[in-house]
Amino acid sequence: DAGITQSPRYKITETGRQVTLMCHQTWSHSYMFWYRQDLGHGLRLIYYSAAADITDKGEVPDGYVVSRSKTENFPLTLESATRSQTSVYFCASSLGGRGTGNTIYFGEGSWLTVV
Amino acid sequence: AQSVTQLDSHVSVSEGTPVLLRCNYSSSYSPSLFWYVQHPNKGLQLLLKYTSAATLVKGINGFEAEFKKSETSFHLTKPSAHMSDAAEYFCVVTLAYSGAGSYQLTFGKGTKLSVIP
Repeated sequence: DAGITQSPRYKITETGRQVTLMCHQTWSHSYMFWYRQDLGHGLRLIYYSAAADITDKGEVPDGYVVSRSKTENFPLTLESATRSQTSVYFCASSLGGRGTGNTIYFGEGSWLTVV
Repeated sequence: AQSVTQLDSHVSVSEGTPVLLRCNYSSSYSPSLFWYVQHPNKGLQLLLKYTSAATLVKGINGFEAEFKKSETSFHLTKPSAHMSDAAEYFCVVTLAYSGAGSYQLTFGKGTKLSVIP
């Protein structure tokens, strides 16, 4: 049972380059999320998706692009990386919302450094 | 609107002594509440969750939390700390009811638990 996997786990890139972080889940969960974790800010929601082809902005979406053509994949793209995007990125998934209090399951994280 | 406040950014306990990590929340509707644990360089693992059933919730690794509506609190406790409990803990709230297309968690800033041998 693979669960939710992220790749790459570690990435160093240069300012201005495009970077894509991949997220794959094997549970057929409807909801998927991208968070970034920074010291002093905790976890902040970047984008989320309620289903394939449905995405919405979270708290800090600027500089990021997402897509969800298939239920199981939710890639996050930094179109032109900046140093302020150096962070740890967590992908997560959940069976659904709608008052169920469904648990959100997190991937292991992707450590991104922009130099 | 909803928010979460973890009252201590760092808690230090001796091995074998009780653990108390404090969390207060605010929510316009009935909340669901979670505690997650994050070990260094790892993802977040669910410890326990409250979803309007029993107010005392038992989780993994001997942790439990009590939902107190009158105090808007959801404090995490463990009777006896173990070295392996050293990690960062996050209190999380979400609405028990959320509209279509909207399902978001609100995270506390985290409490780092240190366990002294």
